[in-house]
Amino acid sequence: DSGVTQTPKHLITATGQRVTLRCSPRSGDLSVYWYQQSLDQGLQFLIQYYNGEERAKGNILERFSAQQFPDLHSELNLSSLELGDSALYFCASSARPRGQETQYFGPGTRLLVL
Amino acid sequence: AQSVAQPEDQVNVAEGNPLTVKCTYSVSGNPYLFWYVQYPNRGLQFLLKYITGDNLVKGSYGFEAEFNKSQTSFHLKKPSALVSDSALYFCAVRDPSPGTALIFGKGTTLSVSS
Repeated sequence: DSGVTQTPKHLITATGQRVTLRCSPRSGDLSVYWYQQSLDQGLQFLIQYYNGEERAKGNILERFSAQQFPDLHSELNLSSLELGDSALYFCASSARPRGQETQYFGPGTRLLVL
Repeated sequence: AQSVAQPEDQVNVAEGNPLTVKCTYSVSGNPYLFWYVQYPNRGLQFLLKYITGDNLVKGSYGFEAEFNKSQTSFHLKKPSALVSDSALYFCAVRDPSPGTALIFGKGTTLSVSS
């Protein structure tokens, strides 16, 4: 158990809908990262937050947004969902945003868009 | 741009034999390199990382990896494979520059037969 928690574990929804994925980092970690894992794209970095502020952005679609709250938990919002958004979404956390810091991953949220 | 290559989709090895999972990278400057393992329906678990110093890095569950700067490689090794090592292995690289992301390889499935 990495100490990173994600809810829900599974999510089934329809095209055009909006969902929110939640992540709680390990105790003491200030930096949160979101990744998408799909069969065709592999593991892709979406976005990073550090102590409430956006720090880095990857291949995140405009339909997707995220934020980190004062209690350091983070939410990833996916809107106008398409079939291709079906994937496993991981959250990871690290103590600081420095490159040498180990990122610890949560169990993921499996999203299925029908 | 930074990138990671895992040239083998699958590695098959018999229990008790040594195993190697290959990884090569491309990054400007001195890279930070990581190995993660993913078991079915689970999140990624951190195995080991290279930041600086000794080229041979020891990690969890008896795994080790050797950093080779001239060959830009960071191969994962274990002297004696276990059936329970069967999983999906990811190599990842991060450029030391601020604001960069962890870039993952496509993953290598390790299958250890009894």
